Amino acid sequence: NAGVTQTPKFRILKIGQSMTLQCTQDMNHNYMYWYRQDPGMGLKLIYYSVGAGITDKGEVPNGYNVSRSTTEDFPLRLELAAPSQTSVYFCASSYSTYYSGGAREQYFGPGTRLTVT
Amino acid sequence: QQQVKQSPQSLIVQKGGISIINCAYENTAFDYFPWYQQFPGKGPALLIAIRPDVSEKKEGRFTISFNKSAKQFSLHIMDSQPGDSATYFCAASLPPSGAGSYQLTFGKGTKLSVIP
Repeated sequence: NAGVTQTPKFRILKIGQSMTLQCTQDMNHNYMYWYRQDPGMGLKLIYYSVGAGITDKGEVPNGYNVSRSTTEDFPLRLELAAPSQTSVYFCASSYSTYYSGGAREQYFGPGTRLTVT
Repeated sequence: QQQVKQSPQSLIVQKGGISIINCAYENTAFDYFPWYQQFPGKGPALLIAIRPDVSEKKEGRFTISFNKSAKQFSLHIMDSQPGDSATYFCAASLPPSGAGSYQLTFGKGTKLSVIP
């Protein structure tokens, strides 16, 4: 198993450009998440998905969009990039069911470092 | 509003010493408290987790102490080693409501340096 993979590893965007951060997991997890990590600020949830076709906003969704057409993939779209979106982005996944006792370990990808200038 | 407060921001410990990182939470509905470890250039990885029905959980050199009445929990790393040098995040999770996910609320992190 590769676990959670993210591409690209690094990207520099100009203000106003758009891009899609890719995330794929091969663990058949139902839940997937996108976080951003800024220095000294911990991780903040951008969007999450509880299954294919179902997504919802997290704490900091503005400026981002997501889709979940398959169990494996959860891309994050940045429209009209702004300097405030300079950050490290992590995708994560987990598997939980009502009967799983609330197993909640989230498995993180290696991250995408994005700079907007 | 920060729901999980973590301290200290950074910590330097001698090899063989005990590292202690503290977290406090506000929402009494949280029912799962994990600690994540992150090495530079990597994603966070689950280290150890506890539920509020126990006061302590130990896995090897890592122990979580949990004080429900004080709404505090802490990570203790015994016999700290240079390989433990990393950033540690505490987190807390609510049980899901409806189709909601087990969302994690993270502390801001503690950068631990273990010096030989």
